Amino acid sequence: KNQVEQSPQSLIILEGKNCTLQCNYTVSPFSNLRWYKQDTGRGPVSLTIMTFSENTKSNGRYTATLDADTKQSSLHITASQLSDSASYICVVSSGGSYIPTFGRGTSLIVHP
Amino acid sequence: SQTIHQWPATLVQPVGSPLSLECTVEGTSNPNLYWYRQAAGRGLQLLFYSVGIGQISSEVPQNLSASRPQDRQFILSSKKLLLSDSGFYLCAWSVKGATGSEQYFGPGTRLTVT
Repeated sequence: KNQVEQSPQSLIILEGKNCTLQCNYTVSPFSNLRWYKQDTGRGPVSLTIMTFSENTKSNGRYTATLDADTKQSSLHITASQLSDSASYICVVSSGGSYIPTFGRGTSLIVHP
Repeated sequence: SQTIHQWPATLVQPVGSPLSLECTVEGTSNPNLYWYRQAAGRGLQLLFYSVGIGQISSEVPQNLSASRPQDRQFILSSKKLLLSDSGFYLCAWSVKGATGSEQYFGPGTRLTVT
């Protein structure tokens, strides 16, 4: 069964600090991995996408890494801002399927 | 550019009442369409998806149903709501025929069943 596990479930950091969110998956065959940001009461918005051959992808202060061998990904947020407070969802797509597998998300709270 | 609309944005309905949520997509043709539900503090649960008009696949057995009367219109319905139907409902679309393609989400509908 395809699964995506995210950790930690929640995280509180101070503004300006860095943080790293983790995603482990057991999806086969692997197609791509996305990180979404979901603000409270809004729909998720894609931050990064990585295919099998990519191991790093950046989007501003967000940097995602992928280790396809260990089936792990991380999302690193640099110099956090209050607006980074949101849920971050890891989503893995399988080749030949229209249905991606979603993690349950990490809730990030950035305090001033 | 493509846009996705959902309405209403919020809804409060009594138990046993009917439900109709609508989703429309603009700027693309023949999209794959999806309905998700997100309970408070929980992940996204796929309810239905559609790869074409009249083609609906159900992922979770429940008292909800979906229809796709037009290419870019996706409707989520219920004849009688349950308390457990409360949640945040998200519609999404992806490029037709492309497995593994990005899903683009609508703004969501907050449903409270009382």
